[in-house]
Parts: sequence; C-alpha cells; structure tokens
Amino acid sequence: EAQVTQNPRYLITVTGKKLTVTCSQNMNHEYMSWYRQDPGLGLRQIYYSMNVEVTDKGDVPEGYKVSRKEKRNFPLILESPSPNQTSLYFCASSETAKMYGYTFGSGTRLTVV
Amino acid sequence: DQQVKQNSPSLSVQEGRISILNCDYTNSMFDYFLWYKKYPAEGPTFLISISSIKDKNEDGRFTVFLNKSAKHLSLHIVPSQPGDSAVYFCAAGNKLTFGGGTRVLVKP
Repeated sequence: EAQVTQNPRYLITVTGKKLTVTCSQNMNHEYMSWYRQDPGLGLRQIYYSMNVEVTDKGDVPEGYKVSRKEKRNFPLILESPSPNQTSLYFCASSETAKMYGYTFGSGTRLTVV
Repeated sequence: DQQVKQNSPSLSVQEGRISILNCDYTNSMFDYFLWYKKYPAEGPTFLISISSIKDKNEDGRFTVFLNKSAKHLSLHIVPSQPGDSAVYFCAAGNKLTFGGGTRVLVKP
C-alpha cells in the first residue's frame, strides 16, 4: 500500500530535550515536506526536500532541522524543543516538485511542556 | 500575513443541501489551487484541484469555482452527506500555501 508513515503518532516531551520525528514513504517520491498545523493557521510548511541531499526552508523553519540522506526518509529534528513547538505535524511526499496530489502521513501530535 | 484565507472557521448544513466553502488569496502568481479534506486523526487527503486557466472544475458531487479577478475560489458540495463532515483546507501554488481550514458538519 502506498503510504507515508510517521512515527511517533503522539509525543510528550520536556523543553530542551532533543527529539526526532521520523517520516518514510514507499512511493519513490522525490519531493518531501514537513508541515505543522495550528488552529486557525492551517498547515504551514517547515522544510522541504526536492531530492536526496537537497533541502530548503519553508515558511516556519526556526527551531527545526531536517536531513535527506535517503530518498524514502525525511526526519524532522527538534534540537531544543520549546512549548511554542507544540503542534500537529504532518509529513508529505509528492512525485514532482509541483506538489499536486501530495500524499500526507497521519500526523504526529507533539506536546512540549 | 496569510496569503490564503478561509474566513469561515465552521459551517453546518443539512444532509442533502449544498455546502459552499470559500477561500480568498492575495498572491496573483498562484497558478494552481487545491482543496484537501481532513478527518480527525488522519492526514489531509486531496479532494479536487483547479488550474488558473480554468474557472470551474467538477468531480462528482464536488465543484470548484475560481474567480481570478476577485482572487477567490469556492468549493461546492452537492448534495452534502454526513460522511462529508470534516475540515476542508484550500491550498494554492507550487509550495501549497494553505488556508486556515473550515470545519463542515453535515447533519442527518
């Protein structure tokens, strides 16, 4: 089954404790992206990657890092999480740079206390 | 400043009636618009799209209308069904700039 898999689905952590949210896709898509969803703000792009070793900032990159060492994986790293990073995070992938028909993961709900 | 706005956070409609969701954008360079549907505990799923060269696109019960001069698009769902109850996001452009979403409740 074609899918984007995120882990974990739920995470509660403390301020400053480094964490990684994993994302993996099995569709051989070149384009991957991370979004965060906050009430009233919709989904805002954090980082995106057009291919292996090619990443770039989205609209809200502060406090996040990403890497794309393999085509299928695109982890999101929070080096020093803060409470304002409490949010619902989505990973997505697409066949082309034109993100029509993005496939989204099921989401990771992160709470930073 | 949000480039894509959905000014109605929620909408309640009776089963069988029409649901109309609205979306406004500010960037005239956007050339593609999409609607996504999201159920609780799931990721958004693609619903319907429209290119800026068209003013209407229809797919079954779903129709999207684009008014470029007004920088406005709308999604019509006819007839609305209880299974349509979800949050709907409009999105625009290559990088998918999203609106804030509209929660639709279809009452049986």
